[in-house]
Amino acid sequence: DAKTTQPPSMDCAEGRAANLPCNHSTISGNEYVYWYRQIHSQGPQYIIHGLKNNETNEMASLIITEDRKSSTLILPHATLRDTAVYYCIVIGAQKLVFGQGTRLTINP
Amino acid sequence: NAGVMQNPRHLVRRRGQEARLRCSPMKGHSHVYWYRQLPEEGLKFMVYLQKENIIDESGMPKERFSAEFPKEGPSILRIQQVVRGDSAAYFCASSPPMGAYGNEQFFGPGTRLTVL
Repeated sequence: DAKTTQPPSMDCAEGRAANLPCNHSTISGNEYVYWYRQIHSQGPQYIIHGLKNNETNEMASLIITEDRKSSTLILPHATLRDTAVYYCIVIGAQKLVFGQGTRLTINP
Repeated sequence: NAGVMQNPRHLVRRRGQEARLRCSPMKGHSHVYWYRQLPEEGLKFMVYLQKENIIDESGMPKERFSAEFPKEGPSILRIQQVVRGDSAAYFCASSPPMGAYGNEQFFGPGTRLTVL
């Protein structure tokens, strides 16, 4: 599975868009980009995934560059409850390989 | 549709005892995964099972740990002769039968094991 690089921490003001970057320069053609988050010590929560095209659901948007070497998760209107560790995972097989993620703090 | 269920939520064991962690996947899900999160560390994959089969156990410690997912009933992660280093949060996840590569996994609330 391809390795990912994320900033260790980010801050965002409540109500603003939170943009979380992820680099995955060694991604191969059949690997998907998945995003999960872990709020405090709860079980990880699936957010969104994509292969080549940009994706949007009720939680977030995922922008994948044309060369697929990086992606950005966008939380359009961040709330305090979005404070969590966000994990970008590139997966070609079934198991999820979690890195250190980005600790996102939403400030009032 | 109930989510992934794990029990117990908290488990305390003394060194040398056995720990049994149970996971009931979401309805319709036939794939189960176990992950471990040591204090202040990230989640680490342990094992991936389908009904009655272990598909990938590359993350399982070589000794004392075993997992099963029988035809009927929950998946069980069993830790024999626990040691203090086994203290961690153990998360179970489930997913439906795979389509293309990968599939979203739905996680349970975890079992927090404390070894005294």
